Amino acid sequence: GNSVTQMEGPVTLSEEAFLTINCTYTATGYPSLFWYVQYPGEGLQLLLKATKADDKGSNKGFEATYRKETTSFHLEKGSVQVSDSAVYFCALIPASGGSYIPTFGRGTSLIVHP
Amino acid sequence: EAGVAQSPRYKIIEKRQSVAFWCNPISGHATLYWYQQILGQGPKLLIQFQNNGVVDDSQLPKDRFSAERLKGVDSTLKIQPAKLEDSAVYLCASSLSELARVYNEQFFGPGTRLTVL
Repeated sequence: GNSVTQMEGPVTLSEEAFLTINCTYTATGYPSLFWYVQYPGEGLQLLLKATKADDKGSNKGFEATYRKETTSFHLEKGSVQVSDSAVYFCALIPASGGSYIPTFGRGTSLIVHP
Repeated sequence: EAGVAQSPRYKIIEKRQSVAFWCNPISGHATLYWYQQILGQGPKLLIQFQNNGVVDDSQLPKDRFSAERLKGVDSTLKIQPAKLEDSAVYLCASSLSELARVYNEQFFGPGTRLTVL
């Protein structure tokens, strides 16, 4: 079956530090890949997406590149802010098989200190 | 544009009681999803509707959970009877169409936090 594996959290950084949250996946073909963010007390919001190999998704200073060869979709940001503190979820939607069931990772909590 | 609406936001019940959650998706969105998010885990899909038909309910515990989307718009998810392990946040999401695969963004509601005592 499909699966998404994220690095364990929490990730604790100082403001303006560089962020990487690792995400690897298992799926057949070329799934669509997503990063969602969940702020405290809120629902998930789409942060960025990529739908084919070598695509780079970007939004609000965050980036992730779809790497088919390593089945990865790592999230990066050059300079984090306190307001980036949230839980980040990597997810995929499969490309084939007749079913488009989304699969989410367990989430990685990010804590940014001033 | 209005987002996905869910109610109630919080619910506390005792085990063996029944509970129902309501979701109104974004207008025009054909696909509706119900997820269960247990504390510390990612959302797990329970059921997916395309209009008023069920696309997938393979992870729905059908002995106690049921869901319907009678007119292809809003939806209800019911648990009867509830167990302690059902304590979780129940998220509803919608997307424009299951068939719009290249851009299949899901829009999530704020969720309903269920506590079963």
